[in-house]
Parts: sequence; C-alpha cells; structure tokens
Amino acid sequence: NAGVTQTPKFQVLKTGQSMTLQCAQDMNHEYMSWYRQDPGMGLRLIHYSVGAGITDQGEVPNGYNVSRSTTEDFPLRLLSAAPSQTSVYFCASSYGGRAGETQYFGPGTRLLVL
Amino acid sequence: DQQVKQNSPSLSVQEGRISILNCDYTNSMFDYFLWYKKYPAEGPTFLISISSIKDKNEDGRFTVFLNKSAKHLSLHIVPSQPGDSAVYFCASTDAGNMLTFGGGTRLMVKP
Repeated sequence: NAGVTQTPKFQVLKTGQSMTLQCAQDMNHEYMSWYRQDPGMGLRLIHYSVGAGITDQGEVPNGYNVSRSTTEDFPLRLLSAAPSQTSVYFCASSYGGRAGETQYFGPGTRLLVL
Repeated sequence: DQQVKQNSPSLSVQEGRISILNCDYTNSMFDYFLWYKKYPAEGPTFLISISSIKDKNEDGRFTVFLNKSAKHLSLHIVPSQPGDSAVYFCASTDAGNMLTFGGGTRLMVKP
C-alpha cells in the first residue's frame, strides 16, 4: 500500500493563479481531510469529507474548494491564490467517519504564493 | 481564539531523562485527545490517544495524562531518546468530524 500520496511536493504560484493539490489514498478510508500548517499555528482544518459525495468546511475554508467523487481521491483547489495561502498542506485519511480515529497523513505539499 | 494550546514552543532534554509535553484546551465538549509526532519534511504520525473517561493511557515509553477539571493533558516520554526529537502536536475532538490541533512543541533530545 502506498498510503496517502500528495502531489506536487512543492509549488510556486503567482498571486491570482489557480491550482489543484492532489491527494489519493489506497486504504479504502471513508474520512479524508485537508490541513494547512503555519508556524506557531499548528495544523488547521480546511475541508473534510466523510465519504464519496460528501464534503464540509473546516476551520479555515475560505479560498479553497474540494470535491470527493471517489473514495480514493480528495483534491484541494485554490481558485485565486493569495500570499496568505503560502503554507504547507497536508492531506489525511482515516478508516471511520470520525476525526478522532487515527489519521494517516501524506508527506505534504509546500506552496509558495508570490 | 485557539481552543487547544501548547504554551511551550520548544523543549530540550538530555537522553535518558523524562520529557514532559503539555497541552491545554478550552472547549469542555472535547472528549477525545490525541498526540501526533512530526519529523521534518514528513507528515504527522499518530502516537497515542486518550478518552475523557480515562485519566491515563500508556504505550511503552509514552504515557498521556488527562486532567479534565483543569482541561490539561500531558505527554510523558521515559526514557527520552535522540530519535524522539521531533515536533509534537496535541489534538482534540468532540466525537464529531473535526480535529483541532495545538501549535506544536519542538522536542530536542540531546545525546
């Protein structure tokens, strides 16, 4: 099993550009989530999904869109990148539908918005 | 306002001694608590958890203590090893679908 994979590893964007961060898991997990990590702020939840076709907002959803058309994939879209979105982004998944279950994280995508 | 706080950004400990990492929370609805460990350039990995019906949970060298009245939990690592050097995040949930993380504590274990 590859676990949770994220692409790309690193990306530089200009303000106003759009892009999609990819996340995939091969563990048949129902719950998937996106976090951003900023210095001193820990990890903050952006969006999550409890199953295919179901998504919901987390703590910091503004500026991001998600969709969950399959169990395996959970892409995160930045519609118009802003410097405030410079961060490290982590995707995670867990077997059940609850956030308290052990979550498996991907290696992260480092995003720089100029 | 952060609902989960780790007030010590960093901690330095000698190898073989005890490491104590602290975490405070404000939301009384939180009933499940977790610790994650993160190495540089990697995603966090689950370390240990505790339910609010317990006040202690142990797994090898790692023990988590929960004081519900003080809304405080701590992670004890005994004995500390150089490989334990990492950033540790505490996280809490109210049995719903959202996990709230603290800001993290960087642990450095000196040989």
